[in-house]
Amino acid sequence: DQQVKQNSPSLSVQEGRISILNCDYTNSMFDYFLWYKKYPAEGPTFLISISSIKDKNEDGRFTVFLNKSAKHLSLHIVPSQPGDSAVYFCAASAYAGKSTFGDGTTLTVKP
Amino acid sequence: DVKVTQSSRYLVKRTGEKVFLECVQDMDHENMFWYRQDPGLGLRLIYFSYDVKMKEKGDIPEGYSVSREKKERFSLILESASTNQTSMYLCASYGTRSSYEQYFGPGTRLTVT
Repeated sequence: DQQVKQNSPSLSVQEGRISILNCDYTNSMFDYFLWYKKYPAEGPTFLISISSIKDKNEDGRFTVFLNKSAKHLSLHIVPSQPGDSAVYFCAASAYAGKSTFGDGTTLTVKP
Repeated sequence: DVKVTQSSRYLVKRTGEKVFLECVQDMDHENMFWYRQDPGLGLRLIYFSYDVKMKEKGDIPEGYSVSREKKERFSLILESASTNQTSMYLCASYGTRSSYEQYFGPGTRLTVT
């Protein structure tokens, strides 16, 4: 049973528009959620996170929304830039920082 | 800046060989992790360690073992490499208690022939 799901393997948006990446989870014990970005031939890098006691966290062009009742979180990138093209992983943690990752969504931002 | 380094970027091994992948972090982090990444399968946790000489199995530990003799170093061992262990291997560490963000190494692309 996959506890963290990213149902869209890929997403393509035009430069300057909004990118919305989605993630669903099943385990109610998760108390911290993170997004990572990964470029080819590099390790993932941390992007933004949110605690389960909040419903929104912003950092510049990136905003993460958490809907606990729906067990759903989303990452909004506004405005999208070509340099944002990468694979985005959603992750959820419940204990000792051990994170469960989704399969990733490949974002392509077209100039 | 946290730095996580992995001993090799690319590795080619033969079936049945014993393979060592090494990871070193320079920020005195207590927790270290080994993942493998395969297309369409995301990052899957193999093993993690929350202290020297301590280890816990992740989701896919079969065919792997680990060693953590020093705080900064976490080794992944493939006892007898098989072709289905061809993958990208990623090491990560984290140390803060207020957030769970992990710092990743650049990865090792292992091919077993």
